[in-house]
Amino acid sequence: AQKVTQAQTEISVVEKEDVTLDCVYETRDTTYYLFWYKQPPSGELVFLIRRNSFDEQNEISGRYSWNFQKSTSSFNFTITASQVVDSAVYFCALITPGAAGSYQLTFGKGTKLSVIP
Amino acid sequence: GAGVSQSPRYKVAKRGQDVALRCDPISGHVSLFWYQQALGQGPEFLTYFQNEAQLDKSGLPSDRFFAERPEGSVSTLKIQRTQQEDSAVYLCASSLRPSGSYNEQFFGPGTRLTVL
Repeated sequence: AQKVTQAQTEISVVEKEDVTLDCVYETRDTTYYLFWYKQPPSGELVFLIRRNSFDEQNEISGRYSWNFQKSTSSFNFTITASQVVDSAVYFCALITPGAAGSYQLTFGKGTKLSVIP
Repeated sequence: GAGVSQSPRYKVAKRGQDVALRCDPISGHVSLFWYQQALGQGPEFLTYFQNEAQLDKSGLPSDRFFAERPEGSVSTLKIQRTQQEDSAVYLCASSLRPSGSYNEQFFGPGTRLTVL
């Protein structure tokens, strides 16, 4: 069965601290894609990154970085020098095959990040 | 605007009422998804359209839920005889190509449904 686990329900950090959000996934597929989305208080899910199962290189985008390790089925997300604008709920998701060729996102429960000024 | 839009943003219904939620996907996007997000949870898949064809409705929780996309663009999610457990945020997402494992989905702001 496909499943995404985000064990951290809520995290609070002081501005400028680094923070890592954990994501562990389960899938029987050998080819799969993982995603991170940000959901600010406005409610709209904002795409952050997509990573396929064959690419284990770490990725950095500005203050954001992602660590993908197939050996531990983890796809962790680090924010360096956090800012108040980073406060949001962050979701890790796995693309999973559905019926009739559809591919649907399976989300974790999310981690609520609060950055305190 | 260039993004996915949804209306209404907020809907309050009395138990037993029917509601209709609208989604305007990004122009030209072939794939359209509906997700349900309960409070404090991640979104959960409801149904998928490729153009006007509803290819997957395995996530619809009951036969009170019905979705359509008659002309392959705007979609409507209808809930009949609403119940309190239907209270959630309903998210619509669209994607440029037919559903594939690599396609990024663009989400709308959601409709928050409260059933009293």
